[in-house]
Amino acid sequence: SQQGEEDPQALSIQEGENATMNCSYKTSINNLQWYRQNSGRGLVHLILIRSNEREKHSGRLRVTLDTSKKSSSLLITASRAADTASYFCATDAEGSNYKLTFGKGTLLTVNP
Amino acid sequence: DADVTQTPRNRITKTGKRIMLECSQTKGHDRMYWYRQDPGLGLRLIYYSFDVKDINKGEISDGYSVSRQAQAKFSLSLESAIPNQTALYFCATSAAGSKYEQYFGPGTRLTVT
Repeated sequence: SQQGEEDPQALSIQEGENATMNCSYKTSINNLQWYRQNSGRGLVHLILIRSNEREKHSGRLRVTLDTSKKSSSLLITASRAADTASYFCATDAEGSNYKLTFGKGTLLTVNP
Repeated sequence: DADVTQTPRNRITKTGKRIMLECSQTKGHDRMYWYRQDPGLGLRLIYYSFDVKDINKGEISDGYSVSRQAQAKFSLSLESAIPNQTALYFCATSAAGSKYEQYFGPGTRLTVT
């Protein structure tokens, strides 16, 4: 069963705008990761946030984690057409021996 | 060269056939994984291996088997393919521990007719 659920399922914005995607999960976690997938290709790791961290930045990416609400958000600032992809959150649940459980993803379309 | 490679990249096979998907990695990671991706369902874990002598079932292992031939090689077999195994299959690797991400291969698109 899916541990993480992304919201929205699809998001369409204009270049230069910010994109925010959310992820909710069900059980306690060691860490939460975000991945990106261009159409039909392998997933690429974007950022990892540990359960004791609340916010993390990497370039134009900002991830927040609220363990009390069991939720995370991924913000992409100043989006570009090349950011068009599906974005997945993946949780490493406590006791899972570091296996990841992926959500269903958010399809982001950035229009030029 | 890619760190995680999968062969074949595309395969069409018929119901009842046995098929093997292969994964090789040059990252030196101990951990390897096989996932299946279906439209709208995200990735689901089929099998995983934390070292050569360790094989574990994932969420959806029925109808699949695996072989870890070496640290760098992890194969997925469909003993008797059926149409609902049509999907995109990914191999991934990771180092051990909670702070490490997974590295994915390019995927194998399998169609069972």
